[in-house]
Amino acid sequence: ETGVTQSPTHLIKTRGQQVTLRCSSQSGHNTVSWYQQALGQGPQFIFQYYREEENGRGNFPPRFSGLQFPNYSSELNVNALELDDSALYLCATSGVPSSYNEQFFGPGTRLTVL
Amino acid sequence: AQSVTQLDSQVPVFEEAPVELRCNYSSSVSVYLFWYVQYPNQGLQLLLKYLSGSTLVESINGFEAEFNKSQTSFHLRKPSVHISDTAEYFCAVSIGSTLGRLYFGRGTQLTVWP
Repeated sequence: ETGVTQSPTHLIKTRGQQVTLRCSSQSGHNTVSWYQQALGQGPQFIFQYYREEENGRGNFPPRFSGLQFPNYSSELNVNALELDDSALYLCATSGVPSSYNEQFFGPGTRLTVL
Repeated sequence: AQSVTQLDSQVPVFEEAPVELRCNYSSSVSVYLFWYVQYPNQGLQLLLKYLSGSTLVESINGFEAEFNKSQTSFHLRKPSVHISDTAEYFCAVSIGSTLGRLYFGRGTQLTVWP
């Protein structure tokens, strides 16, 4: 297992609510990426943070936002939840942003929107 | 745009049989290629990767994949599978300009029967 942890493991919300998911980085990693994995699909890139700044964003609306803290842990916030936001949310950490650096994934947070 | 196609959503095989999980990608630029494995209720783990050099790459648990540039493929193979290989396998690519963003296929569920 990697040193990447995520909390909570499971979460149930209703439409319109807001949610915050958390990710603790593996030691020495200053880059974190978030992915959404819908049921039966591969993970889709949401955004990446490097040294507390957003460093790239996928095709997700602005109600998906994030933060990275000085200790390199990270939060994913989703406002105005929709049913289609139900998914496994994965964070992945690595060293400096690079296409060939291995990314280490956490176990994910399963979000269910009712 | 980059895309990854995993041609088989499910592959059932018997223990000790060979297996091939197919992956094709489309990209107009050079790519780095990865295979990740996801066991139930766990995050993704890197199985192997192709960055450059020899087109045949191997993992520590007997899997191998061959990068074929002309066919834009990166198929995963194992000559003899074990029940413990039962998992979801994801092919992914990244390109130099997107600094670690991974584009995933939809995944292939490998089920090994005794």
